[in-house]
Amino acid sequence: DTGVSQDPRHKITKRGQNVTFRCDPISEHNRLYWYRQTLGQGPEFLTYFQNEAQLEKSRLLSDRFSAERPKGSFSTLEIQRTEQGDSAMYLCASSLNPRQPYGYTFGSGTRLTVV
Amino acid sequence: ILNVEQSPQSLHVQEGDSTNFTCSFPSSNFYALHWYRWETAKSPEALFVMTLNGDEKKKGRISATLNTKEGYSYLYIKGSQPEDSATYLCAIVGGSGATNKLIFGTGTLLAVQP
Repeated sequence: DTGVSQDPRHKITKRGQNVTFRCDPISEHNRLYWYRQTLGQGPEFLTYFQNEAQLEKSRLLSDRFSAERPKGSFSTLEIQRTEQGDSAMYLCASSLNPRQPYGYTFGSGTRLTVV
Repeated sequence: ILNVEQSPQSLHVQEGDSTNFTCSFPSSNFYALHWYRWETAKSPEALFVMTLNGDEKKKGRISATLNTKEGYSYLYIKGSQPEDSATYLCAIVGGSGATNKLIFGTGTLLAVQP
């Protein structure tokens, strides 16, 4: 297991198009998080899965955003009708027990540019 | 709303200089604080997780302290090297229930000139 993988690394899309990102967590990790980082800001929480259940969603996650984690393994984040304000780095993290030291492992992110 | 603040926003130092950054956070309902180093095109790398007031942690030339009563943490880098150039993020564990999501500061961008 080589850590958390995210695909694609970069995505350029035209405004109004739909995009989907994928995150493959560490296999034994039951918790999965999505964060978004915009220029000049720290990463902001978007949503959290425990196994296949989506247990929390930020108000940042508008109706155009949807996330899934079928079978509690990989996760996808879809953005419909992209807007320029969606341009950001989208980070995925997984965890077995976040209360343990180094409990979170992050992927290297997907950078989205909406033109 | 939990707010985590970091200062300075950016820092340019010469190789060999020692430097430090500050992370401020609400002192009430504190559970844990994380420090990450994030190099361009890589994953954020966990440096320290700190939970107890007065905690001091060290990893090579990097160390951190925690004051939960007054709500701040310092990260120190001794003898900075060009490979230390990165964004340093702090985050507290926030949220109710079992989510344990991280609430990040805006980061400190460190550039070390050879």
